[in-house]
Amino acid sequence: ETGVTQTPRHLVMGMTNKKSLKCEQHLGHNAMYWYKQSAKKPLELMFVYNFKEQTENNSVPSRFSPECPNSSHLFLHLHTLQPEDSALYLCASSQEMGREGQPQHFGDGTRLSIL
Amino acid sequence: QKEVEQNSGPLSVPEGAIASLNCTYSDRGSQSFFWYRQYSGKSPELIMSIYSNGDKEDGRFTAQLNKASQYVSLLIRDSQPSDSATYLCAVNTGGGYNKLIFGAGTRLAVHP
Repeated sequence: ETGVTQTPRHLVMGMTNKKSLKCEQHLGHNAMYWYKQSAKKPLELMFVYNFKEQTENNSVPSRFSPECPNSSHLFLHLHTLQPEDSALYLCASSQEMGREGQPQHFGDGTRLSIL
Repeated sequence: QKEVEQNSGPLSVPEGAIASLNCTYSDRGSQSFFWYRQYSGKSPELIMSIYSNGDKEDGRFTAQLNKASQYVSLLIRDSQPSDSATYLCAVNTGGGYNKLIFGAGTRLAVHP
């Protein structure tokens, strides 16, 4: 059982489509994260939100647009993606960004394939 | 650039043996260290955290930290086929923020 839920689990889209990934955490955390995981590469941090405010954008292309309406929900809006964007997108949460040492808990991810 | 290095493996060990997974990191200011287990097609699952030099044991798992050598390891005793997974080392970047840098992971294969 995971306290972080991601939908959809799988997504196939064309390069001109617009879609959104959703993440919801039930752990009472205040920080939420988006990561990209490509084959044989380390997890890449994309965005961080702390108490609904974006605190980190790790030089992510503008075709990825995050949204955090509250501390429990996080979205990643996708548009005009490229084939190299195909990857596993993971959402994570922790108590808060400003407290070092808090473990991050991950959702099951969305496997994204760009045609 | 802050980095976390792991041997990609695969590390193959027989059932019942001790599996030793290693990780080095570049940021001397790091204070928090985590090991995650990731089964194929699944999300990373936190299995150990360690904050002080020395050993920390939890069941069959022991995490070892040496900040002077910038080295953290994970020992798995009595390895089981169900331990076969990729193990990710994650290091907090320091500076008071909860930002993790991940290694690429070591794939462990435990064979009967």
